[in-house]
Amino acid sequence: GDSVTQMEGPVTLSEEAFLTINCTYTATGYPSLFWYVQYPGEGLQLLLKATKADDKGSNKGFEATYRKETTSFHLEKGSVQVSDSAVYFCALITNQAGTALIFGKGTTLSVSS
Amino acid sequence: DTAVSQTPKYLVTQMGNDKSIKCEQNLGHDTMYWYKQDSKKFLKIMFSYNNKELIINETVPNRFSPKSPDKAHLNLHINSLELGDSAVYFCASSSITNTGELFFGEGSRLTVL
Repeated sequence: GDSVTQMEGPVTLSEEAFLTINCTYTATGYPSLFWYVQYPGEGLQLLLKATKADDKGSNKGFEATYRKETTSFHLEKGSVQVSDSAVYFCALITNQAGTALIFGKGTTLSVSS
Repeated sequence: DTAVSQTPKYLVTQMGNDKSIKCEQNLGHDTMYWYKQDSKKFLKIMFSYNNKELIINETVPNRFSPKSPDKAHLNLHINSLELGDSAVYFCASSSITNTGELFFGEGSRLTVL
């Protein structure tokens, strides 16, 4: 079945460091790909998305590129801030009827000043 | 005004009890969801409703029963609670089905003793 695999966390960085969180997927057809972020004590929020191969999603300094050849959607940010500390979820959805968003297991990011 | 609101936010109860979690969205969306997040942050779809009609019903014990009185509300009733039901339950909504752009509530943390 369809699935998403994320790198295990936690990821601990100093402020202004470069961030990469790896995400790969397995899916039939051509899924849309997403990154969601969950700040402590809150629900998930959509961070960015890409709906077809080679699309780049970006928001708040975060970027991810839909790579069909490597079935990947890695999240990057050039300079992290303490306020970026959160859990990041990679997710996919296919266009088959009756399907819902499938999440990876989440990666916890902790940024210190 | 909170877009997707869940009540209660915290629920502590004994094994064997019956409890309900309510969810309301004021976004005018047609589709609503229940997700379960376990202690390791893993998110799994439980149910999805579109215009009060059940469209996704994952492998969930039949002790869990969703009810959608109208398209702005999706409640979750759980009978005969078990220890393994302890989790955070998230309600979400989207404007259409088969979209990955979900709006999440803040979650309801259920603890079964």
